[in-house]
Amino acid sequence: DAKTTQPPSMDCAEGRAANLPCNHSTISGNEYVYWYRQIHSQGPQYIIHGLKNNETNEMASLIITEDRKSSTLILPHATLRDTAVYYCIVRVANRGSNYKLTFGKGTLLTVNP
Amino acid sequence: GAVVSQHPSWVICKSGTSVKIECRSLDFQATTMFWYRQFPKQSLMLMATSNEGSKATYEQGVEKDKFLINHASLTLSTLTVTSAHPEDSSFYICSASAGRTYNEQFFGPGTRLTVL
Repeated sequence: DAKTTQPPSMDCAEGRAANLPCNHSTISGNEYVYWYRQIHSQGPQYIIHGLKNNETNEMASLIITEDRKSSTLILPHATLRDTAVYYCIVRVANRGSNYKLTFGKGTLLTVNP
Repeated sequence: GAVVSQHPSWVICKSGTSVKIECRSLDFQATTMFWYRQFPKQSLMLMATSNEGSKATYEQGVEKDKFLINHASLTLSTLTVTSAHPEDSSFYICSASAGRTYNEQFFGPGTRLTVL
């Protein structure tokens, strides 16, 4: 699986959009970008994933550059509860496969009141 | 949907004893379950992957005789830490995959193990 690079920490004001970047310059054509987050002392939570098109769900939006070498997770209106470590993971996703997730150090997002 | 539970949520034991942690998928059948370990201020490290009815696949450096994994059904996997020692104190997290199209893994809330 391709390696990802994320800033170690970021701050965001409550109510503002939080934009979390991720570099994955060695991503392969069949690899997806997944985002998970981990609130302190809890298990990770799936947020969103995408291949090449931008994706949006009830939690966040995922913007993937045209060359797919980087992506940005957007939390449109950050709340204090969004304070967590956010992990960007790249891996293959095929029906019936069970590829493991390799967690890096992630980005600690702190939402300030 | 896609809820995974773990039991217990925390456990304190004496050195040399064995501890069993359960991981259950509550509303789906998990073809594969994963066990992770997380030390303070570190990221999750995969310990092993288990498929229902077959032996677990352990990551390099993880002692299979110390960390016994049983995946007897599509909704239950157990991790037994045998002869636990203080260095085994950690946050143990399981995840489950339903083998659907994109294979999202759904994580349990974790179990905090403290070995005295």
